[in-house]
Amino acid sequence: DIQMTQSPSSLSASEGDRVTITCRASQSISSYLNWYQQKPGKAPKLLIYGAINLQSGVPSRFSGSGSGTDFTLTISSLQAGDFATYYCQQSYSPPPWTFGQGTKVEIK
Amino acid sequence: EAQLVEAGGGLVQPGGSLKLSCVASGFSFSGSAIHWVRQASGKGLEWVGRIRSKANNYETSYVASVEGRFTISRDDSEKTAYLQMNSLKSEDTAVYYCSSPVCNSDSCYEEYWGQGTEVTVSS
Repeated sequence: DIQMTQSPSSLSASEGDRVTITCRASQSISSYLNWYQQKPGKAPKLLIYGAINLQSGVPSRFSGSGSGTDFTLTISSLQAGDFATYYCQQSYSPPPWTFGQGTKVEIK
Repeated sequence: EAQLVEAGGGLVQPGGSLKLSCVASGFSFSGSAIHWVRQASGKGLEWVGRIRSKANNYETSYVASVEGRFTISRDDSEKTAYLQMNSLKSEDTAVYYCSSPVCNSDSCYEEYWGQGTEVTVSS
């Protein structure tokens, strides 16, 4: 199975900060990389799919980049509602579609 | 609007069985795969398995940790997917989500998610 490694596992930031989360795959997954946001007690919410594509309705301060094995999620200016846990997921065939271990973004 | 609603969670003893359901609305259920994803309390997301559509022969896949114990099925007429869990272990304790994936030419992703149903395996 493809292993996904996120870093950091947690970070503290202030509103307005630029935040970057990285995700590395154990083998090339082309652009089959998704990013999700999860708040406590809620289901994950799709933010970015295909490494770079912003899901409809997601604010443009979120962006994704990368291909192959190394990927990045960037929040250009952190807002109050962005404090959450973020997960990457690879969807490169065949299953399982593994997730990274998550990055918790906390208020500084 | 697409919606997925899970049900069937609860408390079960180790070695027991439980069957979860996932009822869909607002999208073409019969043409969609359904995935199950779980999350233990305070832990990350774990992809559990999937069932594909009739066009893909209802093919199923599972993560190694549940292979042989869990079975995913579906009833397209009822727009419902099921997760049959047998020989349950304490490490299966988690919130279980169903999701509806979308695949296009260069990406696949979990677009819609249910609210989750909690399973506790304990004596």
